[in-house]
Amino acid sequence: AQTVTQSQPEMSVQEAETVTLSCTYDTSESNYYLFWYKQPPSRQMILVIRQEAYKQQNATENRFSVNFQKAAKSFSLKISDSQLGDTAMYFCAFMKLNSGYALNFGKGTSLLVTP
Amino acid sequence: DTAVSQTPKYLVTQMGNDKSIKCEQNLGHDTMYWYKQDSKKFLKIMFSYNNKELIINETVPNRFSPKSPDKAHLNLHINSLELGDSAVYFCASSPGGGWTDTQYFGPGTRLTVL
Repeated sequence: AQTVTQSQPEMSVQEAETVTLSCTYDTSESNYYLFWYKQPPSRQMILVIRQEAYKQQNATENRFSVNFQKAAKSFSLKISDSQLGDTAMYFCAFMKLNSGYALNFGKGTSLLVTP
Repeated sequence: DTAVSQTPKYLVTQMGNDKSIKCEQNLGHDTMYWYKQDSKKFLKIMFSYNNKELIINETVPNRFSPKSPDKAHLNLHINSLELGDSAVYFCASSPGGGWTDTQYFGPGTRLTVL
């Protein structure tokens, strides 16, 4: 079974600063997808960014980017120019082929952006 | 124009009762999912359906039974509710069930069993 580990239960960053959230995973698969989801206090799960394992180029979405290190099985999320609205739980998730497309989530990192 | 909707959003009930949570998606997606988020915020897959056919059935007590009357709906029925069933239940859907597809989540249903 795949495990996803987020080693930082809580983090804090000041507005306009940059913060990096860590995620490591364990798998014997060579092809898979990785995701970061955001869950603000509203409880809604929102996709932030995703990365295909076969792509070497790191995914970026506006202020969000990932550092994907396949050999190290690491998938960190960098948030640049942090905004108050970025305050949320952030979940790293793994999906493998032929798994029924289920997302395997880490335990989450609670990010607080302060003024 | 809600994409994935769930009813109710909050459900408070007594132990031993039977309850249902409904999920509907208007995105034309083929695959739907149920996830459970426990009190520590951990999210875990429970079931998934592709075109009304069950494709994932994780180790979930058989008191939980998903029902998909059509591909736009996936309801979750829970019999003989227990205290440990208290959680937030999320429905999600994705376009074709392909692994490249993004899953879109509903707003969640907070179930409290007293």
